[in-house]
Amino acid sequence: AQSVAQPEDQVNVAEGNPLTVKCTYSVSGNPYLFWYVQYPNRGLQFLLKYITGDNLVKGSYGFEAEFNKSQTSFHLKKPSALVSDSALYFCAVRPGSGAGSYQLTFGKGTKLSVIP
Amino acid sequence: DVKVTQSSRYLVKRTGEKVFLECVQDMDHENMFWYRQDPGLGLRLIYFSYDVKMKEKGDIPEGYSVSREKKERFSLILESASTNQTSMYLCASRAPSSRYNEQFFGPGTRLTVL
Repeated sequence: AQSVAQPEDQVNVAEGNPLTVKCTYSVSGNPYLFWYVQYPNRGLQFLLKYITGDNLVKGSYGFEAEFNKSQTSFHLKKPSALVSDSALYFCAVRPGSGAGSYQLTFGKGTKLSVIP
Repeated sequence: DVKVTQSSRYLVKRTGEKVFLECVQDMDHENMFWYRQDPGLGLRLIYFSYDVKMKEKGDIPEGYSVSREKKERFSLILESASTNQTSMYLCASRAPSSRYNEQFFGPGTRLTVL
């Protein structure tokens, strides 16, 4: 069975500083990895995904994520944080094929607070 | 743009009531999903549907059932609501025609069971 760990419940960063939200995963075979963001009282919005190819993927709102197979990590990054980036961030994984490939497994979420 | 809508943003019900949560998507997606979201637990999959009239249990199906009579609509049913089903419920859809496609989420229904 697949699993996702987001080791930090909350991350605080000053506006203009770089931010990182951490994610590690466990899955059989090749992973398909996703980041979603949730603003207060809203559903989840897709940010970016890694399927194959370049380990650094770029997504919406200036976010990017780096896939590291040896460390089974997929950390979300942004070079310069904005106050409007404050939200709840979820990492998710599913296997590329086989059993469970329809099913996304989510982490518990990391609350990002960007301080003006 | 894909649009996933849910019938209610907020819902208050009493213990023992039968509750219906409706989800509609307008992009002809085959796959649809119901999750519940609780603080500190993230999203947990309740049920999903590959296609019309097809359903599969997720990680926490107990106390819930689903119905998918039409492709665009996926209903979550709480047969006899209990206080431990107070939660945020999120619906999602996905087109498996491309294996890489992400799921698209609705705005959520915050259900309170008194």
